[in-house]
Amino acid sequence: EIVLTQSPATLSLSPGERATLSCRASQSVSTYLAWYQQKPGQAPRLLIYDASSRATGIPARFSGSGSGTDFTLTISHLEPEDFAVYYCQQRNNWYSFGQGTKLEIK
Amino acid sequence: QVQLVQSGAEVKEPGASVKVSCKTSGYTFTNYFMHWVRQAPGQGLEWLGTINPSGVSTTNAQKFRERVTVTRDTSTSTVYIELRSLRSDDTAVYYCARDVADYRSPTGGYFDPWGQGTLVTVSS
Repeated sequence: EIVLTQSPATLSLSPGERATLSCRASQSVSTYLAWYQQKPGQAPRLLIYDASSRATGIPARFSGSGSGTDFTLTISHLEPEDFAVYYCQQRNNWYSFGQGTKLEIK
Repeated sequence: QVQLVQSGAEVKEPGASVKVSCKTSGYTFTNYFMHWVRQAPGQGLEWLGTINPSGVSTTNAQKFRERVTVTRDTSTSTVYIELRSLRSDDTAVYYCARDVADYRSPTGGYFDPWGQGTLVTVSS
């Protein structure tokens, strides 16, 4: 099983700031990694797939990078609606998710 | 438009079984993998199982052993997950999700869109 470890667990920032979220895999997943956003009471929403490709309808302020075992989700200029929980997910060896990073308003 | 509509909330006693459905529409059902994911209260996401366009299913056997079965009905474009021998720690919201790309695309294995979720509560 591939274990994904996300950091930090909680990130406190203000609107307009830049957010950097990390995901580390226990073994290489190549670029087979996605990022999801989840708001309270809602299903997750796909943001980024294949490490750096934005899903349909996702704003350009969301970007992903990385390969192998280290990945980053960057939100360049936080909007109020971006405060949520973010998960990474790999598909290199079946599927697994990270434990999530909560992005909260400072 | 693509829609995934799940069955309603369930309350089960420990040891019982539950079967959750996910009725799909708006796309060619047999061209896509379908996935099941759950989320315990206040916790993260956990993959349960997947059924491929040919109807062959794979489950997270390491975690769930033989307790989980994923099936489908092509006549109604519906997928199902059944979980047996329920325990209190199976209490969670269960989501179905379609694969982001059809089986012919190299860009698959990601989950989008998702159903609205079904709360399964296991309690005596």
